[in-house]
Amino acid sequence: GENVEQHPSTLSVQEGDSAVIKCTYSDSASNYFPWYKQELGKGPQLIIDIRSNVGEKKDQRIAVTLNKTAKHFSLHITETQPEDSAVYFCAASPGSARQLTFGSGTQLTVLP
Amino acid sequence: SAVISQKPSRDICQRGTSLTIQCQVDSQVTMMFWYRQQPGQSLTLIATANQGSEATYESGFVIDKFPISRPNLTFSTLTVSNMSPEDSSIYLCSVVGWSPMNTEAFFGQGTRLTVV
Repeated sequence: GENVEQHPSTLSVQEGDSAVIKCTYSDSASNYFPWYKQELGKGPQLIIDIRSNVGEKKDQRIAVTLNKTAKHFSLHITETQPEDSAVYFCAASPGSARQLTFGSGTQLTVLP
Repeated sequence: SAVISQKPSRDICQRGTSLTIQCQVDSQVTMMFWYRQQPGQSLTLIATANQGSEATYESGFVIDKFPISRPNLTFSTLTVSNMSPEDSSIYLCSVVGWSPMNTEAFFGQGTRLTVV
């Protein structure tokens, strides 16, 4: 089955700096890669996703890149703000969002 | 996006008892899933809730321990049976496809279960 590895497990950045979280996956059949943000006491919130026919996708301060050859994808957050502090999860699926395999999560702390 | 409501939001239960968690969506959805998130850990898929038929369970999860119902396209329940402290986790309902153009997965706020 699919295995998703996520790094780093914790990340601290100064407000205004950029943050990058990286994930690798094992199943070459995976073609859908979402990112979720989970704040304390809440369910995961979808923040951005990318499909295998696209190499990069941006939404304001958030971007995701995908390298299918190397089987890795990354989340980039620019101009970080304290409200970006949360746990971020990457995931992979062989088809849409039906069978999501999640990474282990990254605790992002943005220091004011 | 669809509005997903889970009940209860949290509970403290005695070992050996069972708890049923409800997931209600404000629109019809194609697929509903149940995930477990152990303390400080990632999300693990328990099963896919199938409307009108038995749920499809992932490796390591069985129907006797986690019976699931899905009587219609907007509602599902997960029961955690014969609970032990190891069942203390957050249980999350997830839905996909409330319109033909929506294929992303969205999550409820979760049910935080503590077994004592």
